[in-house]
Amino acid sequence: GQQVMQIPQYQHVQEGEDFTTYCNSSTTLSNIQWYKQRPGGHPVFLIQLVKSGEVKKQKRLTFQFGEAKKNSSLHITATQTTDVGTYFCAGPGGGADGLTFGKGTHLIIQP
Amino acid sequence: EAQVTQNPRYLITVTGKKLTVTCSQNMNHEYMSWYRQDPGLGLRQIYYSMNVEVTDKGDVPEGYKVSRKEKRNFPLILESPSPNQTSLYFCASSLSRARGFYGYTFGSGTRLTVV
Repeated sequence: GQQVMQIPQYQHVQEGEDFTTYCNSSTTLSNIQWYKQRPGGHPVFLIQLVKSGEVKKQKRLTFQFGEAKKNSSLHITATQTTDVGTYFCAGPGGGADGLTFGKGTHLIIQP
Repeated sequence: EAQVTQNPRYLITVTGKKLTVTCSQNMNHEYMSWYRQDPGLGLRQIYYSMNVEVTDKGDVPEGYKVSRKEKRNFPLILESPSPNQTSLYFCASSLSRARGFYGYTFGSGTRLTVV
């Protein structure tokens, strides 16, 4: 079925450094969504990208959807301790309906 | 407040003892889904429902049942739990699936331990 691969699995950064996580699919995606899960919490919807080459910003977060709609990235500028958590990308599922989630990138910030 | 409510938050049970995890949403969402989250495996879909009385299997449905008798409720039933069903479970809802993709609203999760 549809698989969405996400890298890296873990990322340690110093507070104030930038962070990027990447999401790749073997097939074209109609859309891609991004979620954040704080430690001990539940996934929270951040954004959805639909158009080829789309770029959206939310304060220090920049989301991109590739031209071929097979990859996406989330970039955080000047990380803060509140950015700690796991970031998931999710795309339309293959055999089953709904979203297929990447395995997530755990962001660990050292003060 | 718009939300998805799951109960219980924590549950320890014994092998074979039937249990139900409840899920309720107050947003009039058509689409509801159950996921389990396991270390190294991420979020995997168990069952989903496009609307009332319409349910279907996700990627890992074995050992689970669901029902959707009312729009707001989507309980997850484990008829005979086994230790490999020890996991963190999330219920999620979204405005619609038939009309396109929308962001999911997740419940707070249910941590289930089967001994």
